[in-house]
Amino acid sequence: GDSVTQMEGPVTLSEEAFLTINCTYTATGYPSLFWYVQYPGEGLQLLLKATKADDKGSNKGFEATYRKETTSFHLEKGSVQVSDSAVYFCALSDISGGGADGLTFGKGTHLIIQP
Amino acid sequence: DSGVTQTPKHLITATGQRVTLRCSPRSGDLSVYWYQQSLDQGLQFLIQYYNGEERAKGNILERFSAQQFPDLHSELNLSSLELGDSALYFCASTLGGSDTQYFGPGTRLTVL
Repeated sequence: GDSVTQMEGPVTLSEEAFLTINCTYTATGYPSLFWYVQYPGEGLQLLLKATKADDKGSNKGFEATYRKETTSFHLEKGSVQVSDSAVYFCALSDISGGGADGLTFGKGTHLIIQP
Repeated sequence: DSGVTQTPKHLITATGQRVTLRCSPRSGDLSVYWYQQSLDQGLQFLIQYYNGEERAKGNILERFSAQQFPDLHSELNLSSLELGDSALYFCASTLGGSDTQYFGPGTRLTVL
């Protein structure tokens, strides 16, 4: 079945550091890929998405590129802020592979940014 | 604010009991999804409804059931509760054809 693997952390960085959170996936079809963010005590917010190979999703300074050849969708940000501290989830939706419409999530990466 | 609402925010109950969680999707969205987030299992898809009909099932236990009403709100019913059912339960909605899901704030269920 479909699966998503991401580094679990916690990942601790200093403010203004460069961020990479790795995400790889396995899917039977051609999935759409997502990054969601969960701030403490809140629900999941869509951060960015990409629906086909080589697409780049971007939002609030975060970027991720859909790499079909390496089945990856790594999240990057050039300069993190304390307010970016949260849990980040990589997810896929694989309707084309005959899977359910539900999202398949990675286990989440807890990011801590220190001032 | 995603536009998806869930009630109640917190629920504390005892083993063996039954509870109902409620979700109202974003205005205009026809699809509702339910997810369970627990420390050991992570985020798992439970079930999807589209315009009142069950559309897809994930890792939903037989003790759990859901429905979507004509006004498109949805309820998740959890019965014969066990300690291991303690978790955050999220619902999400989408227009239908779009695969971008928008999540509610969740209901935290504690089974004592």
